[in-house]
Amino acid sequence: GIQVEQSPPDLILQEGANSTLRCNFSDSVNNLQWFHQNPWGQLINLFYIPSGTKQNGRLSATTVATERYSLLYISSSQTTDSGVYFCAVGGGQTGANNLFFGTGTRLTVIP
Amino acid sequence: KAGVTQTPRYLIKTRGQQVTLSCSPISGHRSVSWYQQTPGQGLQFLFEYFSETQRNKGNFPGRFSGRQFSNSRSEMNVSTLELGDSALYLCASSLDRNNEQFFGPGTRLTVL
Repeated sequence: GIQVEQSPPDLILQEGANSTLRCNFSDSVNNLQWFHQNPWGQLINLFYIPSGTKQNGRLSATTVATERYSLLYISSSQTTDSGVYFCAVGGGQTGANNLFFGTGTRLTVIP
Repeated sequence: KAGVTQTPRYLIKTRGQQVTLSCSPISGHRSVSWYQQTPGQGLQFLFEYFSETQRNKGNFPGRFSGRQFSNSRSEMNVSTLELGDSALYLCASSLDRNNEQFFGPGTRLTVL
């Protein structure tokens, strides 16, 4: 399967700070998604971004597919941004629909 | 549009029992995938169904099985439960391959 590495594993920020989360993957992909997992376990869609750049409010993401990495930017962080952020990729050589997940970045925003 | 729904949300079973989990995808979505999340193994793909056919399968034992109905609703079954099956089971739906996937709230299974 496709290997997905996320960094950093843990991040502690003061409210108002900016952060960059990174996702490296080992194969060409047709699907790349960023999720935020809420305290109850549900995966909340942030971005569907197999290539290019997207922005949604204080969040933005960039995927450079040719170099096999994606970045998630969080600006002016708030305590509600706390939680685990997952990068997931799919496609690869087989073109299958299943997603391969990284181990996540646990973000803690301190007031 | 309603999101992906999963029932039940919580389950407690004992070793050796079997369990059935249900997932209703977003209206119009024909692909339903199942994932298992554990602290040790993270999020792992179980299987995907599309138009009532299993299209892809992860590396799990045969005790894990699933099916999809004509209305795209899906069920997964785990037989002869083991302690290690305790996990959060997540269902995702999408239109088809290479489309954005949307996840349900999950079913948290505890095996005693």
